[in-house]
Amino acid sequence: ETGVTQTPRHLVMGMTNKKSLKCEQHLGHNAMYWYKQSAKKPLELMFVYNFKEQTENNSVPSRFSPECPNSSHLFLHLHTLQPEDSALYLCASSHTGELFFGEGSRLTVL
Amino acid sequence: AQSVAQPEDQVNVAEGNPLTVKCTYSVSGNPYLFWYVQYPNRGLQFLLKYITGDNLVKGSYGFEAEFNKSQTSFHLKKPSALVSDSALYFCAVRPGSQGNLIFGKGTKLSVKP
Repeated sequence: ETGVTQTPRHLVMGMTNKKSLKCEQHLGHNAMYWYKQSAKKPLELMFVYNFKEQTENNSVPSRFSPECPNSSHLFLHLHTLQPEDSALYLCASSHTGELFFGEGSRLTVL
Repeated sequence: AQSVAQPEDQVNVAEGNPLTVKCTYSVSGNPYLFWYVQYPNRGLQFLLKYITGDNLVKGSYGFEAEFNKSQTSFHLKKPSALVSDSALYFCAVRPGSQGNLIFGKGTKLSVKP
């Protein structure tokens, strides 16, 4: 148990569906992150939020829409995804240094 | 450009033998260095970090890493490998106290009985 909870753990969706991934941290951290992990590719940083404000968007396609309503919750809204978006999506939080990761949400786009 | 290199895609070790997983980095300023481990179908777990002080850092599960400034390396080591150490290991660097972590591509460690 890392203190970062991601739901759902597994998600299968069609290209026309709309779904959301949720992340909640119980560590009192001020920064939250979304990473994408694809097979045989390096970990890709997608979005960074500090104190609910987005501080980084790594040229992520608009079909991925993040939302951070408070410092403890982070969402990733998914819309009209492509099969190549199938991956493990990892949420992380931090305060002063190391990242604490959730268990990830395995997304399959059909 | 700032980067992290893990030159080995896979490391194979016999149980009980010492293991080393290599990491080199290229950043400006004083690096903050990290190692993470990922077991199958799990998220990344923090193992250890170097910020300043003693070059030999001890972490979770008996792992340690040595910071070598002249060689810009931060290799992960363990004196005696366990089968349960088999996992994917990631090295990461932050260029100083600010900024985001830069991850290496990962090294798969396989420990055979």
